[in-house]
Amino acid sequence: GAVVSQHPSWVICKSGTSVKIECRSLDFQATTMFWYRQFPKQSLMLMATSNEGSKATYEQGVEKDKFLINHASLTLSTLTVTSAHPEDSSFYICSYNPVETQYFGPGTRLLVL
Amino acid sequence: EDQVTQSPEALRLQEGESSSLNCSYTVSGLRGLFWYRQDPGKGPEFLFTLYSAGEEKEKERLKATLTKKESFLHITAPKPEDSATYLCAVRGGGADGLTFGKGTHLIIQP
Repeated sequence: GAVVSQHPSWVICKSGTSVKIECRSLDFQATTMFWYRQFPKQSLMLMATSNEGSKATYEQGVEKDKFLINHASLTLSTLTVTSAHPEDSSFYICSYNPVETQYFGPGTRLLVL
Repeated sequence: EDQVTQSPEALRLQEGESSSLNCSYTVSGLRGLFWYRQDPGKGPEFLFTLYSAGEEKEKERLKATLTKKESFLHITAPKPEDSATYLCAVRGGGADGLTFGKGTHLIIQP
């Protein structure tokens, strides 16, 4: 199957700081990538759709100024959590869908103290 | 709004004891129903995509089926390594992202 990598795999930061998460597709050029969030014992929730060369589209209730997405190339999308707070602590996962399938990265665990 | 409901929330089986997991869905214009396996602290691992009622797919001890309202993931003679959370998701006509259920936490005891 397709390979997606994320970096870092986990991060701990202080409240008020910003955190950048990278997502790379290693064997496919992705014009569209997706960012999901998963709270403990909850389902994955789509946050935003990242489009190469254009602005991301955000799901209802997701603050675009807080979760900055940059899809600078066909193999790299980044999610920056700005001024992170404890309630932003979650498991962030990126995904892309070559040929009507959707593959997920290994996820990034964010803990905001 | 697309919705996915999975049952049961948790299931404990003995090794070799076959069972089925349920995924009920409502979606406007189904463009795929997906099954994933998720291990603790990891991203979902793709298992199957089903597109139309009556379709079936198999992989080792797993078999997925689809009707117009629900999908089943059948597990035949499971082994302890099949223990994981199994997630169901749909892609509707409105967008390319997926709507997930909460998953079924499956434990296979030796």
